[in-house]
Amino acid sequence: TQLLEQSPQFLSIQEGENLTVYCNSSSVFSSLQWYRQEPGEGPVLLVTVVTGGEVKKLKRLTFQFGDARKDSSLHITAAQPGDTGLYLCAGALASGSRLTFGEGTQLTVNP
Amino acid sequence: ETGVTQTPRHLVMGMTNKKSLKCEQHLGHNAMYWYKQSAKKPLELMFVYSLEERVENNSVPSRFSPECPNSSHLFLHLHTLQPEDSALYLCASSRRDRGLETQYFGPGTRLLVL
Repeated sequence: TQLLEQSPQFLSIQEGENLTVYCNSSSVFSSLQWYRQEPGEGPVLLVTVVTGGEVKKLKRLTFQFGDARKDSSLHITAAQPGDTGLYLCAGALASGSRLTFGEGTQLTVNP
Repeated sequence: ETGVTQTPRHLVMGMTNKKSLKCEQHLGHNAMYWYKQSAKKPLELMFVYSLEERVENNSVPSRFSPECPNSSHLFLHLHTLQPEDSALYLCASSRRDRGLETQYFGPGTRLLVL
C-alpha cells in the first residue's frame, strides 16, 4: 500500500482540454509538493503547499491542498503539448522529514 | 535551478561488470540522494547522505555501494547486477528552507543490465 496514491495513473487528452489529477493519502502531511518529470530528465519542482485549504496558481496550473492536509489536486486549464510529462506528488509527514513520492500520473497532451 | 549533473546518461552492462555512476552538484546543498525509478513504481529512495555521512540505507542489496567523498559529489558503484536492476537511477540534492525540504534532481542514468 502506497502512502500517497495518485490518480489517474495515465491520462491522454487533446490540446485545449482541462484536466485534474489527484494525490490522496490517509495520512496528514506537513507539506506537499508537486514535481513534473519530462522524458529523459529528472523531476522538477512545481510548487510546495503547506497550509490546509491552500490554493496556488502557476500560470495555467492550479494546485490545492486539502483542508485536512491529506490530499491535493492539480488542475490544468487549456492543456498544451508542452504539459506532457509525469506529474509526481511528494509529501513530508513532519517538518524536516524525508519526502515520500507517489507513483505519478503520466499525462500526454496531443496536438 | 538544474545544477545537478549525472554521468553517464546511459549505461549498458553485463551481470559480471563493475561500473560507477557519478553525480555532482554545485548548489551548496548538504544532502544528496540516490533514487531508483522503475516503470509503474514510485520513486524508491536508496541512500541518503547528509554532510557526507550516510544517514539512510533502505534495504538496498550490497551489489549497490554508494560513496560520498565530499558534499558536491556522490557515486553509486555497481557490481554483479541483475536484470531487474535495470531502471533510471536519479541523484538529487536538497536544501532546507524554514523546515521545508526541496529536492533538486539530476537527469538520471538509464541503466540496462543484460
